[in-house]
Amino acid sequence: QVQLQESGPGLVKPSETLSLTCTVSGDSISTYYWGWVRQPPGKGLEYIGYIYYTGSTSYNPSLKSRVTISVDTSKNQFSLNLRSVIAADTAVYFCARSPTGGPGARTLDYWGQGILVTVSS
Amino acid sequence: QSVLTQPPSASGTPGQRVTISCSGSSSNIGRNTVNWYQQLPGTAPKLLIYSNNQRPSGVPDRFSGSKSGTSASLAISGLQSEDEADYYCAAWDDSLSGWVFGGGTKLTVL
Repeated sequence: QVQLQESGPGLVKPSETLSLTCTVSGDSISTYYWGWVRQPPGKGLEYIGYIYYTGSTSYNPSLKSRVTISVDTSKNQFSLNLRSVIAADTAVYFCARSPTGGPGARTLDYWGQGILVTVSS
Repeated sequence: QSVLTQPPSASGTPGQRVTISCSGSSSNIGRNTVNWYQQLPGTAPKLLIYSNNQRPSGVPDRFSGSKSGTSASLAISGLQSEDEADYYCAAWDDSLSGWVFGGGTKLTVL
């Protein structure tokens, strides 16, 4: 059973960089898409971006100028960097997996439990 | 403002059947399959329906999904108290090259 676990600081100062890592266990990080989704307190889900194990990425245009997603296949991990954060970036950040083909293609099927990141001085 | 449109709330009594709608456009629901998620308070979204109408292993057959054109719906029959949760629709968007979500529907079991 694949499991995803987010890790990183729960508090980030305004204008600094939010850095999170998602560790994948129970499956290889290869052959899937790996995405980040966030949820501000009391609000809905927002797609941030995704990466393929080869390093190919795609980002939400609304965040593209501030986001970088990277992958470390040797550690079965992928990471999110969000630069120049503001209070509106306060949210629960989820990492998730998507198959690349078959009936479940482009479905975020397995999710991490999420990590609350607060942007505050 | 979410790309996919859902009603903010829905309700029903135990045993009833409720439906939740999700409206999109040609770049998302019109060209791609729809997924539905259930989110209990303080937890991650749980995949409920994928590929418009497929249930992952372990999801009761009380949950069903359908899609027509640029709209989709989730139906829950035999409503139970544990179904009280937030429900989100999602789809791949070809213009965005990423996933879009509905704003979520809060289901209350009266």
